[in-house]
Amino acid sequence: DVKVTQSSRYLVKRTGEKVFLECVQDMDHENMFWYRQDPGLGLRLIYFSYDVKMKEKGDIPEGYSVSREKKERFSLILESASTNQTSMYLCASSSGQPNEKLFFGSGTQLSVL
Amino acid sequence: SQQGEEDPQALSIQEGENATMNCSYKTSINNLQWYRQNSGRGLVHLILIRSNEREKHSGRLRVTLDTSKKSSSLLITASRAADTASYFCATVLTGANNLFFGTGTRLTVIP
Repeated sequence: DVKVTQSSRYLVKRTGEKVFLECVQDMDHENMFWYRQDPGLGLRLIYFSYDVKMKEKGDIPEGYSVSREKKERFSLILESASTNQTSMYLCASSSGQPNEKLFFGSGTQLSVL
Repeated sequence: SQQGEEDPQALSIQEGENATMNCSYKTSINNLQWYRQNSGRGLVHLILIRSNEREKHSGRLRVTLDTSKKSSSLLITASRAADTASYFCATVLTGANNLFFGTGTRLTVIP
């Protein structure tokens, strides 16, 4: 089975801190995604990547950046965390057609105080 | 604006009953997918239906797609307590690559 692992289940950070969310997949998938999930808003795409060192902005990239130095790892960076970035962050990966059958990690619940 | 909208927002049924959830969307799609999310966890892909398909089955799941009405339905037959979860539809627009998720239907199956 495909495994997508997110480094932390829960994180608490202070406003202004730099935050790193790590995601690793073990099935050699080309495509990786970062979403955030908020009540009443569903999932919204932050950034995605179809190849190593490649990244594309999603629907809500402001305040975020990403890094993909290795195929299996896709990192989400909050340069200066703010309270409105408190959310559930979900990483996903897929193979072949980028938006078919995504495999999700268990999520990181980030609280910014 | 959101591409996919699920209806109802919440559904509560007895174990053994069938559960039907609907998804409506606004523009032409390439495919439509359904995902399940157990409380506080990641999403699990259930089924994908392409724009040229009308119905697909997977175990106790049946998905229909009506492109003329821009809607899809997910039927779970003979529901079990373990089916309790949120269910999301996600659409891929024609000519686009991004998946757009709805806000989900919260299904509760009472034992």
